[in-house]
Amino acid sequence: KQEVTQIPAALSVPEGENLVLNCSFTDSAIYNLQWFRQDPGKGLTSLLLIQSSQREQTSGRLNASLDKSSGRSTLYIAASQPGDSATYLCAVGLPLITPLVFGKGTRLSVIA
Amino acid sequence: DAEITQSPRHKITETGRQVTLACHQTWNHNNMFWYRQDLGHGLRLIHYSYGVQDTNKGEVSDGYSVSRSNTEDLPLTLESAASSQTSVYFCASSSANTEAFFGQGTRLTVV
Repeated sequence: KQEVTQIPAALSVPEGENLVLNCSFTDSAIYNLQWFRQDPGKGLTSLLLIQSSQREQTSGRLNASLDKSSGRSTLYIAASQPGDSATYLCAVGLPLITPLVFGKGTRLSVIA
Repeated sequence: DAEITQSPRHKITETGRQVTLACHQTWNHNNMFWYRQDLGHGLRLIHYSYGVQDTNKGEVSDGYSVSRSNTEDLPLTLESAASSQTSVYFCASSSANTEAFFGQGTRLTVV
């Protein structure tokens, strides 16, 4: 059974700092990996999707990497801002069109 | 723009009542999913569908049912609401192994 872990559960950083969020998964036979952002009381917003054949994806100040062999993905946020404060979730997609398996998220606070 | 919408956004119901939460997507996605989100448990899969007339059980399906009569809609029914079903419910949709999109959620309280 695929399990997804995100460490740390919570993180607080000063504004302007570059930071890395971690995601690990137990079964390397994934089809893709997706990072989401969730603001309090809101739904999930898709940030980046990495296919299993890719090593990384970039969108603005966000960069996500994927290392299937080690079962790890990282989300790099450059020059963090208070508006980046949210919970970040990673989810893995498995072959044969199975539903996403989610980690429990990292709650990020960026302090002005 | 394509979107996925859930209704109602908030619902209070009594124990034992039947409740239906609506999910409607205009992405023309084949795949649709229902999750519940609870503190300490994260997102857990309730039911999912890969197309019209197809439904499958997730890890926490007891007490819930879905039906898929068209591409756009996957309503979630709580047959007899219980306090343990107080939660935030999210609907999502995707095409085969592509980016998944989520609705804004329905906060359900069972009293």
